[in-house]
Amino acid sequence: ETGVTQTPRHLVMGMTNKKSLKCEQHLGHNAMYWYKQSAKKPLELMFVYNFKEQTENNSVPSRFSPECPNSSHLFLHLHTLQPEDSALYLCASSQVTRDSSTSTDTQYFGPGTRLTVL
Amino acid sequence: AQSVAQPEDQVNVAEGNPLTVKCTYSVSGNPYLFWYVQYPNRGLQFLLKYITGDNLVKGSYGFEAEFNKSQTSFHLKKPSALVSDSALYFCAVRDRTGGKLIFGQGTELSVKP
Repeated sequence: ETGVTQTPRHLVMGMTNKKSLKCEQHLGHNAMYWYKQSAKKPLELMFVYNFKEQTENNSVPSRFSPECPNSSHLFLHLHTLQPEDSALYLCASSQVTRDSSTSTDTQYFGPGTRLTVL
Repeated sequence: AQSVAQPEDQVNVAEGNPLTVKCTYSVSGNPYLFWYVQYPNRGLQFLLKYITGDNLVKGSYGFEAEFNKSQTSFHLKKPSALVSDSALYFCAVRDRTGGKLIFGQGTELSVKP
């Protein structure tokens, strides 16, 4: 509906597993984001990619590894996660300008992946 | 540092009554302000934003928000609530120097018939 799709929608994994979350945007945007949404907490920005370059890593543990092969696709690789990593992981995209002061970049979100770590 | 506060965890409204969801912010300079809505098991949907100009911003589904610089507020309003408006609402702020988008903790709106 918003032009941003995420797969899978639900994922259950053990602490020793390796899995990947996928995000794809069909809006022609040049920036993509990963957010973590936990119950009763504000959205936490995890990673930002502008023009396929990672521009922000918001003190995220190394067990989360992002990958942005092109401007339409974003992955979040997961390994050796902890139960407290269980949350809704949201992907978003926006159109940014190189002059960030003029960029109003409305972000459009995917439906999220509900992750449960056992 | 930028911050956003949504002082009410939950707002209850009867269908047909006006609704207000409150948001206050703190940012250096003039802000960009956003409202998003999240329905159960869904991502966030963009409702409206303030960039510049008219302080009253109109958005999707009959919602509007008023930017009040002196009170540093950006309250979301709708003249007549619908049961289908029941959802989680997020206010967000960003400064004009390229900073990241900061979200409030969300307000759960419940509209009863």
